[in-house]
Amino acid sequence: EPEVTQTPSHQVTQMGQEVILRCVPISNHLYFYWYRQILGQKVEFLVSFYNNEISEKSEIFDDQFSVERPDGSNFTLKIRSTKLEDSAMYFCASSDLAGSYTGELFFGEGSRLTVL
Amino acid sequence: QKEVEQDPGPLSVPEGAIVSLNCTYSNSAFQYFMWYRQYSRKGPELLMYTYSSGNKEDGRFTAQVDKSSKYISLFIRDSQPSDSATYLCAMKGSGNTGKLIFGQGTTLQVKP
Repeated sequence: EPEVTQTPSHQVTQMGQEVILRCVPISNHLYFYWYRQILGQKVEFLVSFYNNEISEKSEIFDDQFSVERPDGSNFTLKIRSTKLEDSAMYFCASSDLAGSYTGELFFGEGSRLTVL
Repeated sequence: QKEVEQDPGPLSVPEGAIVSLNCTYSNSAFQYFMWYRQYSRKGPELLMYTYSSGNKEDGRFTAQVDKSSKYISLFIRDSQPSDSATYLCAMKGSGNTGKLIFGQGTTLQVKP
């Protein structure tokens, strides 16, 4: 069964450092998303991406965040200068066109980011 | 008022019990209603979605949406220990941005 894969599974970084989280979406999906979940809190939407453009972003997704599809398979989330409050589990998800309407998203297993 | 509210539990039931999980919401623009299951240290996995009001059944799972009351439910019949997980309700409006608003999640434990 096709799946969304994320790397790394866990990253520890110092405050102020840049972090890149990587995702390989399901191959025939064209809609890509990042969500995050701070420990004990809700899963929160960060950004959606389609056709090499951001479709929608949340208030959380400020100038220190960026997304990119550098090639035909990868989708990345970059945090330019990490803060303590960026510590969270970051989930990548993908969908086809129908799923982007119905909410049928396929999530990866997440990348845990710990900022010290 | 929070946009989506869900009792975090935990909820503990014996194997074979009928489980009822619920969420309330405040945004009348929500059109699609989803239930995701999340096992420990894993990503959310879609169980089912419903459009607008009504019921939807898939095996042991039944989702109900009452838009007039802004209330959604997930029923699990004949619950199994393998159903032990956190259940997340999620909602979205129309449009294709895939922006989901999640509830807090309810942790369910089914005891053999």
